[in-house]
Amino acid sequence: AQTVTQSQPEMSVQEAETVTLSCTYDTSESNYYLFWYKQPPSRQMILVIRQEAYKQQNATENRFSVNFQKAAKSFSLKISDSQLGDTAMYFCAFMKHTGTASKLTFGTGTRLQVTL
Amino acid sequence: EAQVTQNPRYLITVTGKKLTVTCSQNMNHEYMSWYRQDPGLGLRQIYYSMNVEVTDKGDVPEGYKVSRKEKRNFPLILESPSPNQTSLYFCASSFLGGRGVMNTEAFFGQGTRLTVV
Repeated sequence: AQTVTQSQPEMSVQEAETVTLSCTYDTSESNYYLFWYKQPPSRQMILVIRQEAYKQQNATENRFSVNFQKAAKSFSLKISDSQLGDTAMYFCAFMKHTGTASKLTFGTGTRLQVTL
Repeated sequence: EAQVTQNPRYLITVTGKKLTVTCSQNMNHEYMSWYRQDPGLGLRQIYYSMNVEVTDKGDVPEGYKVSRKEKRNFPLILESPSPNQTSLYFCASSFLGGRGVMNTEAFFGQGTRLTVV
């Protein structure tokens, strides 16, 4: 079974600064997807960024980028130029690439607070 | 607008009183799933469905039932709710890619906050 670990329950960053959220995972699969989801106070789950394991290039979406280290099974999220609207819970998630029963396995989340 | 709609958003009920949380999607997605979110545990899958009349258990199915009679709807049924089912529930849907692989983007509903007293 796959497991996803987020070791930082809470983090804080000042507006305009950069912050990195950590995520590690454990799997015996070779092909899979990794995701970061954002959950603001509205509780909506919003996809921030995704990475396909077979791609060596790190995914980037505007101010959000990942550092994907496949051998180390690490998938950290970097938020640059942090904004107040980035305040949210962030979940790292894993999904197998193959198989007839695909599901998202989530970490326990990191609560990020962006301050003035 | 493409969306997944859950109802109700909030629900307080008493132990043992049967309830249903509805989920509907308008994107013609094959794959639908229910998760529960609890503090310190993240989101855990309850049940999922690959298509109409095809459902299966996730990681925490005890105390829940689902049905998939129509492609767009995937209700979650609690026959006899208990306080340990107090949680935040999410429905999600996505397309199925080739060979049963889920499309990489899952669309989530707004969540249902359930309290069982």
